Amino acid sequence: SQQGEEDPQALSIQEGENATMNCSYKTSINNLQWYRQNSGRGLVHLILIRSNEREKHSGRLRVTLDTSKKSSSLLITASRAADTASYFCATARSDSSYKLIFGSGTRLLVRP
Amino acid sequence: NAGVTQTPKFRVLKTGQSMTLLCAQDMNHEYMYWYRQDPGMGLRLIHYSVGEGTTAKGEVPDGYNVSRLKKQNFLLGLESAAPSQTSVYFCASSPSPGGSEKLFFGSGTQLSVL
Repeated sequence: SQQGEEDPQALSIQEGENATMNCSYKTSINNLQWYRQNSGRGLVHLILIRSNEREKHSGRLRVTLDTSKKSSSLLITASRAADTASYFCATARSDSSYKLIFGSGTRLLVRP
Repeated sequence: NAGVTQTPKFRVLKTGQSMTLLCAQDMNHEYMYWYRQDPGMGLRLIHYSVGEGTTAKGEVPDGYNVSRLKKQNFLLGLESAAPSQTSVYFCASSPSPGGSEKLFFGSGTQLSVL
């Protein structure tokens, strides 16, 4: 079963707007990671946030983690058409650090 | 520095045929993984390896076998392909356990089983 579930499944915004994607998970984790996948390509790592961190930034990306609610959010500010892709959260469970379990993803469309 | 390389990129099989997917990484990573991705879904872990000569089952291991004879290579085998194995297969590697560091992904193998 999937550990992480993203919401929404699909998101369409205008260029320049902010995009927010959410991820919920079920069990205790060591860390949570966000990946991006362009159509037909492999996944590219965006950001990793550890269980003892609450917020992390990388360029136009901002990730938050709320372990009490078992949820995370990815914010992309000032979106660009090139941000069009699928975004996946992946969790590393506390009891199984070798495995990274992926959610089903959010498909983001940024309209020019 | 090629990173993670998967071969082949595309393959069409008939039901019952066998094949091997090859993953090679040149980053000296200990950990390697095979995932499958079905339309509209996330990645599901098939098998993984924590070092040369080791393999372990993931979420969906049935119908697949793997081998890690050399540190840089991780092979995924389908002994008797079934239509349900039509998918895109991704290999990944990491220097530390996948749960503690990021994964580096290959570009995928699109497999169709007729």
